[in-house]
Amino acid sequence: DSGVTQTPKHLITATGQRVTLRCSPRSGDLSVYWYQQSLDQGLQFLIQYYNGEERAKGNILERFSAQQFPDLHSELNLSSLELGDSALYFCASSPQWVNYGYTFGSGTRLTVV
Amino acid sequence: GIQVEQSPPDLILQEGANSTLRCNFSDSVNNLQWFHQNPWGQLINLFYIPSGTKQNGRLSATTVATERYSLLYISSSQTTDSGVYFCAVRNDYAGGTSYGKLTFGQGTILTVHP
Repeated sequence: DSGVTQTPKHLITATGQRVTLRCSPRSGDLSVYWYQQSLDQGLQFLIQYYNGEERAKGNILERFSAQQFPDLHSELNLSSLELGDSALYFCASSPQWVNYGYTFGSGTRLTVV
Repeated sequence: GIQVEQSPPDLILQEGANSTLRCNFSDSVNNLQWFHQNPWGQLINLFYIPSGTKQNGRLSATTVATERYSLLYISSSQTTDSGVYFCAVRNDYAGGTSYGKLTFGQGTILTVHP
């Protein structure tokens, strides 16, 4: 157990739907990062939050949004889902926002049908 | 942005063999990590090693930051070592959209046969 908890582990949904992925960081970690792993794109950075504030943005689609709550857990919202959104979504956390190793959760496998 | 290249892309070994995986990166980094993704998809952190050498059991890693490469050594490989090994780097010096971003290489797929 890495200490980073992601739920659900698996999710199957239909095109056009909206889903929410949840992440609880390691105790004491203030930064949360979201990554998408698809077969053709590899591991891609989506977005980073630090202590409740958005700090960095990667290749995140406008249909996707995220937030970090006061208790430091984070949610990634994916809407108007398309077949191409099927992927493994990872959350990672780190103690601060620079110069520390990242710890990844076990991921949420999203399948859009 | 920073480029990360891993080699070899695929590696097939017999149990007990040793191997070296390489990661080249195109710019200065302030974070470098090696991960193992097991067949169930979990990303396991192996080393946080922006510079220097570290060892953990049968695994060791060396990063030569000035020459922009890192090596992961696996000795006496076991079937449980199979999976994909990723090198990932972070370069905040470039600023802009690079800030906060951990950039992954494409990985080395390791298969260890009994």
